Amino acid sequence: DIVMTQSPDSLAVSLGERATINCKSSQSVFYRPRNKNYLGWYQQKPGQPPKLLIYSATTRESGVPDRFSGSESGTDFTLTISSLQAEDVAVYYCHQYYTTPLTFGRGTRLEIK
Amino acid sequence: EVQLVESGGGLVNPGGSLRLSCAASGFTFSDTWMSWVRQAPGKGLEWVGRIMRESEGEKTDYGAPVKGRFTISRDDPKNMVYLQMNSLTIEDTAVYYCVTGVGLTDLDYWGQGSLVTVSS
Repeated sequence: DIVMTQSPDSLAVSLGERATINCKSSQSVFYRPRNKNYLGWYQQKPGQPPKLLIYSATTRESGVPDRFSGSESGTDFTLTISSLQAEDVAVYYCHQYYTTPLTFGRGTRLEIK
Repeated sequence: EVQLVESGGGLVNPGGSLRLSCAASGFTFSDTWMSWVRQAPGKGLEWVGRIMRESEGEKTDYGAPVKGRFTISRDDPKNMVYLQMNSLTIEDTAVYYCVTGVGLTDLDYWGQGSLVTVSS
């Protein structure tokens, strides 16, 4: 199974500041036929289902604010929120859909400092 | 608009069975793979399994914790997907989400979830 190691477990950031969440896959999730990493990021607010923010490691889903961005380097992935807003308080998960079993990181709880 | 509505959750005794249903709309159901993902109270996300299209023989894959106990099936004319859960244990207590991928990832859109509680 591909293990997704996410860090930190929790993060407190001031409003307007940058938040960075890291995720490392235990093996490559790069799908050569499409030249894409099969890596997604989800946001989950209390009492709600997860919402897809980023797919293919760097592509924002339609309607997602541009303060959210994804980056990639080999098997290392990062979700960055450039200027934290109050509505961004949530748990964030990375996820690989390269192969089954599909797996998730353990989640990062993001709070306001 | 993609909509996924789960039903069938509830309280069940250890060793019992339960079947969850998911009604799908807003996309071409027969063209998509359907998955179930669960989340134990206060915990993270765990993939349960998925079912491929009829044209792919409705092939199914499952996560190790549920393999041999859970079965996913689909009814394309009704736009429904099902999760039959047998031999339930306390560790199966979770919110179960019906999820579909419409071309971005395998898990693009999620239902609101259905709570399954296994307890005596």
